[in-house]
Amino acid sequence: EDQVTQSPEALRLQEGESSSLNCSYTVSGLRGLFWYRQDPGKGPEFLFTLYSAGEEKEKERLKATLTKKESFLHITAPKPEDSATYLCAVSPSGSARQLTFGSGTQLTVLP
Amino acid sequence: DVKVTQSSRYLVKRTGEKVFLECVQDMDHENMFWYRQDPGLGLRLIYFSYDVKMKEKGDIPEGYSVSREKKERFSLILESASTNQTSMYLCASSLAGVTDTQYFGPGTRLTVL
Repeated sequence: EDQVTQSPEALRLQEGESSSLNCSYTVSGLRGLFWYRQDPGKGPEFLFTLYSAGEEKEKERLKATLTKKESFLHITAPKPEDSATYLCAVSPSGSARQLTFGSGTQLTVLP
Repeated sequence: DVKVTQSSRYLVKRTGEKVFLECVQDMDHENMFWYRQDPGLGLRLIYFSYDVKMKEKGDIPEGYSVSREKKERFSLILESASTNQTSMYLCASSLAGVTDTQYFGPGTRLTVL
């Protein structure tokens, strides 16, 4: 069974304190790994898609990396506006259209 | 930019009512999805559709049905709403084949009394 596990469940950082969120996955074959940001009461907002081990993508203070077993979302010098829940999802080879989501990491950045 | 819109941000219904949730996307995507999101349970797939008039059950289809008469529109129907269907409902769409990236709407917070 395909599984996605995110850690930690919650993370509190001081403004400027860099850190990483983890997404571990178990799938029969990976078509793609996705990161989303979700603000309270809103729909998830797409951030990145990663397709192969070694791939990296960046957007402002966020950088996503991918290995064969996990992905990291690195947050450099975060600001309070980066506070949100970050969701990871995978697209397994056998299920081209569906995504399997992790439960998310709730990030709080304190001023 | 991909835009997915949902008919209501907030909805309050009574037990036993028939409820329609509408979703429209403007990027000519073939695939459309309905999820519900509950605290501690994450995102769960209810139904999805990969073409007009086509539908497939997701992980939790019981108590729901869907309709896709036009490519851009995907409706979720609660035939007889129950209190355990109180939830955040999220619609998403994706382009077939190239990537499975899904784009989400703003969500509908449904409360069933």
